[in-house]
Amino acid sequence: GQQLNQSPQSMFIQEGEDVSMNCTSSSIFNTWLWYKQEPGEGPVLLIALYKAGELTSNGRLTAQFGITRKDSFLNISASIPSDVGIYFCAGPQISNFGNEKLTFGTGTRLTIIP
Amino acid sequence: DTAVSQTPKYLVTQMGNDKSIKCEQNLGHDTMYWYKQDSKKFLKIMFSYNNKELIINETVPNRFSPKSPDKAHLNLHINSLELGDSAVYFCASRQLRLYQETQYFGPGTRLLVL
Repeated sequence: GQQLNQSPQSMFIQEGEDVSMNCTSSSIFNTWLWYKQEPGEGPVLLIALYKAGELTSNGRLTAQFGITRKDSFLNISASIPSDVGIYFCAGPQISNFGNEKLTFGTGTRLTIIP
Repeated sequence: DTAVSQTPKYLVTQMGNDKSIKCEQNLGHDTMYWYKQDSKKFLKIMFSYNNKELIINETVPNRFSPKSPDKAHLNLHINSLELGDSAVYFCASRQLRLYQETQYFGPGTRLLVL
């Protein structure tokens, strides 16, 4: 099945720095989602994007739906220790049963250096 | 109140055993999912049920058998456990509706097969 590639794979940044990560696909998506998974927990939805070119914010987080519909970007401004975790992009695809399923990206692991 | 709960949180067992993981959601959602997250943190869908009916089966070995006694519960039974089954298994739920992409994940069940 289609895999969503995220870069970078991991990031080590100082508290207070801004963070940028992206997600790319070889096929078009009509929806892009960004999830965060904290250690020992399940993923939690941060931002959902439904339209090419859309720019959506959630506090210090901003995500963009790429114009080509094959990529998406997530930025975090002024990082704080609680931003630590793995960030996943995800997009709906049609499963082999003909129903919609979510395909997740390979993840970007964010570590904050105090 | 816990939205999506899973039991047990940790499961250590011997190869060849049969085990079950339980999931319950109190959100009134009609769709539930099982995901597997491997040691590299790749998150992949296994099954989905909508109102007790199987709607997604991602070519998972038939040693894995999901069961949904009602729309608030989705259990996963695994026969003849193998070393490669070691992973974190996440349950999730969602209300199937356009532009309602949020899937709520449980805390995960960490399965270790020895």
